[in-house]
Formats: sequence, structure tokens, C-alpha cells
Amino acid sequence: GENVEQHPSTLSVQEGDSAVIKCTYSDSASNYFPWYKQELGKRPQLIIDIRSNVGEKKDQRIAVTLNKTAKHFSLHITETQPEDSAVYFCAASRGQAGTALIFGKGTTLSVSS
Amino acid sequence: EAQVTQNPRYLITVTGKKLTVTCSQNMNHEYMSWYRQDPGLGLRQIYYSMNVEVTDKGDVPEGYKVSRKEKRNFPLILESPSPNQTSLYFCATRRSNNQPQHFGDGTRLSIL
Repeated sequence: GENVEQHPSTLSVQEGDSAVIKCTYSDSASNYFPWYKQELGKRPQLIIDIRSNVGEKKDQRIAVTLNKTAKHFSLHITETQPEDSAVYFCAASRGQAGTALIFGKGTTLSVSS
Repeated sequence: EAQVTQNPRYLITVTGKKLTVTCSQNMNHEYMSWYRQDPGLGLRQIYYSMNVEVTDKGDVPEGYKVSRKEKRNFPLILESPSPNQTSLYFCATRRSNNQPQHFGDGTRLSIL
């Protein structure tokens, strides 16, 4: 079945450094790719999303890139801050109809000051 | 304020005792889903609904039931809970396909 692979599973950076999380997906019909941030004990919250007709999207310190040919998409966080510490999940829509989101297993990001 | 409300937030119960986790949304969204979150496995979809009286299985539907009798509510039913259903459950809603998904605060279930 369809799946989404996410790497790395853990990532530790110094405050001010950049962090990159990568995902690959298997369903070539996927056309919607959101990223969620989940702080400890809280619900996942959408931080950025991208659709298949766009190669890159940026929102302040966060950017997402999409390579549909290679079925890769990545989250880039610049100038990291301690409050960026959380678990990050990527997801891809199932099929062109997008009736479901298939999530990666998550990346635990730790930003130390 | 846009809200997805789950109840209860925490529940400890015993094997075989039927339980229902409620989910209610005030955003008039068509789509609602249930996920379970387990360490190292991420979020896995249990069931989803695209509209009233329209439901379908997700990736891990065994042992669960849902209903969608009205647009705002999407309860998750465990007819005969077992310990392997101990997990953190999230309800989520979105306006339509390929739109941002909004999660509830989660329900932590422990089945002994």
C-alpha cells in the first residue's frame, strides 16, 4: 500500500542553525503535502502545506520543497529557536481524490540554546 | 472560535466494556476522520467520513465502528475494547479534499 518514509527520526541542532527533514512518498497520484508540528501532550498543528502544482513554498523561517519526479518533499527551518523543539510529521494525500492523509512516522527535533 | 471537541480526554477501562469517544466540530466541515497515534508509528487513520451517512475504512479499522448521523458529530465506538487498542486518539476535520486538517485535543485510552 501507499506509504510515507520520513528521515531522520531524531534531529538535534544548535539554536540558530538550520534543520532539514525529508520525506518520500510512494503514491504517484498524491497531490497535497502538509507538515504538522506536535508539541508534547498537544495536538498536531499544521505549519505549512504544498500542492503538487508548486515546487516551493515559504512562510517566514519555514519552507517546503517538492520534487514530484523523485517523489520527495522536504521541510526547511532556518534560524532555529528552542520553541521549534517538537515532533514534526509530514503527510501525503492518498490518491488524486485525497480521501486520506498518509503520515510519516515523525521527526523529533531538539533545539538547544 | 473554530473547534474540534473530543470527549473524554482520558479514559481507563477494562477489556470488553463498550465505550464511545465523541467528536464534535463547529466549522461545518464535510470531512471528518479518526486517527490513532502510537509511539514510533505516527498517525494512522482508522475511519473517515466525507459527508452525513458516508463513512469508509482507513488503514487500521479492525475493532472500531463509527457513525455520521449529523454533520457536526463523528463518534468512535469500541464495541469490545482490547489492550491493543490502548492508544492516543485524534479526531480531525477538513473542509474538503486536500485542504488543511484540524485536529481535536486527543483522547488517551488505556484498556486493561
